[in-house]
Amino acid sequence: GAVVSQHPSWVICKSGTSVKIECRSLDFQATTMFWYRQFPKQSLMLMATSNEGSKATYEQGVEKDKFLINHASLTLSTLTVTSAHPEDSSFYICSARDTAELLQETQYFGPGTRLLVL
Amino acid sequence: LAKTTQPISMDSYEGQEVNITCSHNNIATNDYITWYQQFPSQGPRFIIQGYKTKVTNEVASLFIPADRKSSTLSLPRVSLSDTAVYYCLVGDKGGKLIFGQGTELSVKP
Repeated sequence: GAVVSQHPSWVICKSGTSVKIECRSLDFQATTMFWYRQFPKQSLMLMATSNEGSKATYEQGVEKDKFLINHASLTLSTLTVTSAHPEDSSFYICSARDTAELLQETQYFGPGTRLLVL
Repeated sequence: LAKTTQPISMDSYEGQEVNITCSHNNIATNDYITWYQQFPSQGPRFIIQGYKTKVTNEVASLFIPADRKSSTLSLPRVSLSDTAVYYCLVGDKGGKLIFGQGTELSVKP
């Protein structure tokens, strides 16, 4: 099946620093990628939709200036958590839609990135 | 976006068949129904997807009635490793998937 990778798998940073998380589709092209956040014992919450070559679309309540998303190629999207604070500590997961499977609505998920802000 | 409702939790024993039902009363004509499995600290893993009637693959079956307002994921002969959270989602035109609370399945020996 299609593989999506994330890097890093976990990161610990000091409050006030910025953290970049990469999401890559390894064996397919993804025009659209999605970013989710998941707190302990909770479901995934969609943060934004990332489209290659255009600005991301953010869900209501998600600060676009704090969570910068760049989708510069068909295989890479990045999420930068700017000026991270302890409340940003969470599990961040990306997913990608295979451009060749648009009709099937199938998304492939990455393994997630655990962010801990001290 | 169609909202989904699932039981919060289910218990089962090894070797049993487990059926998890999801309701999605407002499913749109173009929506597909997809089920994912998630283990702690991992990304969701695709299990099965369907549009109507029955779909079967090597790990599960998905039953969808004619009105498509609900669906049932069937896991045959579960094992301890099937303990996970199972999410039912319906996809909209834009491709967004909104996760509901999911069903936490606990398989006991």
